[in-house]
Amino acid sequence: LAKTTQPISMDSYEGQEVNITCSHNNIATNDYITWYQQFPSQGPRFIIQGYKTKVTNEVASLFIPADRKSSTLSLPRVSLSDTAVYYCLVDRRGTGGFKTIFGAGTRLFVKA
Amino acid sequence: EAGVTQFPSHSVIEKGQTVTLRCDPISGHDNLYWYRRVMGKEIKFLLHFVKESKQDESGMPNNRFLAERTGGTYSTLKVQPAELEDSGVYFCASSRTGGTEAFFGQGTRLTVV
Repeated sequence: LAKTTQPISMDSYEGQEVNITCSHNNIATNDYITWYQQFPSQGPRFIIQGYKTKVTNEVASLFIPADRKSSTLSLPRVSLSDTAVYYCLVDRRGTGGFKTIFGAGTRLFVKA
Repeated sequence: EAGVTQFPSHSVIEKGQTVTLRCDPISGHDNLYWYRRVMGKEIKFLLHFVKESKQDESGMPNNRFLAERTGGTYSTLKVQPAELEDSGVYFCASSRTGGTEAFFGQGTRLTVV
């Protein structure tokens, strides 16, 4: 599976938009890009997933350029409760399920 | 719907002992996954069940680890005998067939002393 690379940490202030970029140069045709959020002492929680172009849901947007070698997670107007680790993953769809490879994640600190 | 449940939440055992972790997936999810994060490392895939069958166990570290999913419902992960390097957080996740996201449990923190 494609390895992902993302910043180790980022700082932001409440109300700002946060963009976290991830590179996945070796992404394969049947790989999907997924982002998870993890709070301390909890399991990772799905945020958003996409294959190409732009995907938006109630919590985030995901931008994927045509070559799919990178992706950007956009969090609009972050709050203190968005302080967490954000993982960029590549999922390869398999027989009914998928295998997920986690990277190191980006630790986002939101300040008041 | 109820989420993925893992038991126990914490376990402290001595080196050489046996520990069994349990995971109850979301009802109806045929896919069940085990992951673990050892100290300072990234979350690593261990194995994937489709119903009661092991679809992919390429991440199992060695033969001290045994995962089962009898009946295709809950799963257990047994470590026997436990070693110090097995300490970490063990996560379980489940997904529907054809689903696009995996739902994770809160994890079991295993400490081997």
